Amino acid sequence: GDSVTQMEGPVTLSEEAFLTINCTYTATGYPSLFWYVQYPGEGLQLLLKATKADDKGSNKGFEATYRKETTSFHLEKGSVQVSDSAVYFCALYSGYSTLTFGKGTMLLVSP
Amino acid sequence: ETGVTQSPTHLIKTRGQQVTLRCSSQSGHNTVSWYQQALGQGPQFIFQYYREEENGRGNFPPRFSGLQFPNYSSELNVNALELDDSALYLCASSLEEVGEQFFGPGTRLTVL
Repeated sequence: GDSVTQMEGPVTLSEEAFLTINCTYTATGYPSLFWYVQYPGEGLQLLLKATKADDKGSNKGFEATYRKETTSFHLEKGSVQVSDSAVYFCALYSGYSTLTFGKGTMLLVSP
Repeated sequence: ETGVTQSPTHLIKTRGQQVTLRCSSQSGHNTVSWYQQALGQGPQFIFQYYREEENGRGNFPPRFSGLQFPNYSSELNVNALELDDSALYLCASSLEEVGEQFFGPGTRLTVL
């Protein structure tokens, strides 16, 4: 079945540091890939997405590239802010009604 | 455009009781999916409703049931509550069954 594996957190960074959160997946066919963000006490917000190989999703300074050859969709940001502190979820959709999520990676950014 | 709303925000029940959670989909969306998010975990798919019919189900027992109304709002019912049912329950709506999903803020259920 489909699965998503994310690096375990928490990831602790200082403001303006470079961020990478690794995500790899297993799926049948050609899934769409997503990154969602969850702020404390809130639901999920779509951060970015990519629907086919080599697509790059980007939003609010975050980027991720759909790599079919390595089945990866790593999230990156060049300079994090304290306001980026949240839990980040990698997810895939392979056409069977449901999103499959990773376990989430907590990001803590200090001033 | 109104986003996805859920009620109640928080709920406390005791083991063995029954609970109903509600979700209003985003305007124009005909599909609602429900997810359970245990503490420290990613959301797990419970089921999806498309045009008032169940359209897929995850690995949850039959005591988890749902309903979708003609206006595409939805309910999640859980019978015979267990301690492990304590979680954040998320509802997501989409334009069609394969569309991008937009999430509500969730209902936090605590079972004592």
